Amino acid sequence: SAVISQKPSRDICQRGTSLTIQCQVDSQVTMMFWYRQQPGQSLTLIATANQGSEATYESGFVIDKFPISRPNLTFSTLTVSNMSPEDSSIYLCSVVDPGAANYGYTFGSGTRLTVV
Amino acid sequence: AQSVAQPEDQVNVAEGNPLTVKCTYSVSGNPYLFWYVQYPNRGLQFLLKYITGDNLVKGSYGFEAEFNKSQTSFHLKKPSALVSDSALYFCAVRAGNTGKLIFGQGTTLQVKP
Repeated sequence: SAVISQKPSRDICQRGTSLTIQCQVDSQVTMMFWYRQQPGQSLTLIATANQGSEATYESGFVIDKFPISRPNLTFSTLTVSNMSPEDSSIYLCSVVDPGAANYGYTFGSGTRLTVV
Repeated sequence: AQSVAQPEDQVNVAEGNPLTVKCTYSVSGNPYLFWYVQYPNRGLQFLLKYITGDNLVKGSYGFEAEFNKSQTSFHLKKPSALVSDSALYFCAVRAGNTGKLIFGQGTTLQVKP
């Protein structure tokens, strides 16, 4: 099955700054997603990262705040822009894993972001 | 709208007793259903899934789940709970053909010695 390397694993950032999170997959995957998990909450989908075109954002998430790039089928970045303490969360990338029998998902280990 | 519900915020069970963590779903078409576990300060771990076939699915760490189409449920079960099973459990369903996973709100399982 696919292996995801997500960086950084954690960071503490000043409000008003931006952080870019990287997600590298060891195989080509068609579908890649970015999720947010706020403290004590479930996972909420931010967007679908589309290769070679603009990401598709879920309701409540906008490109200016969470710009996403996906230059190829193995790599994507999520930027959290102009951060505030409310952005403190775990951010995870996920791929639909073509190697998993009868369909499956692989998740990155997550980026734990604290905004101070 | 497609959704997943985990009606219990927390489930408490004594070690050695059977456990059930409930999940119901609402999705158009055939559901692809998943259970994940999250330990404190650790990533999301896959437990089991239902795509098609036998309604009783067996997964990691002795967990199993039963797909019930008429009740639109996919409850997670284990015959004998361990203290080490204490964690946060998420049920998830694929939203149609988009590939997106919709997660339930999560259930904290507390197993006491």
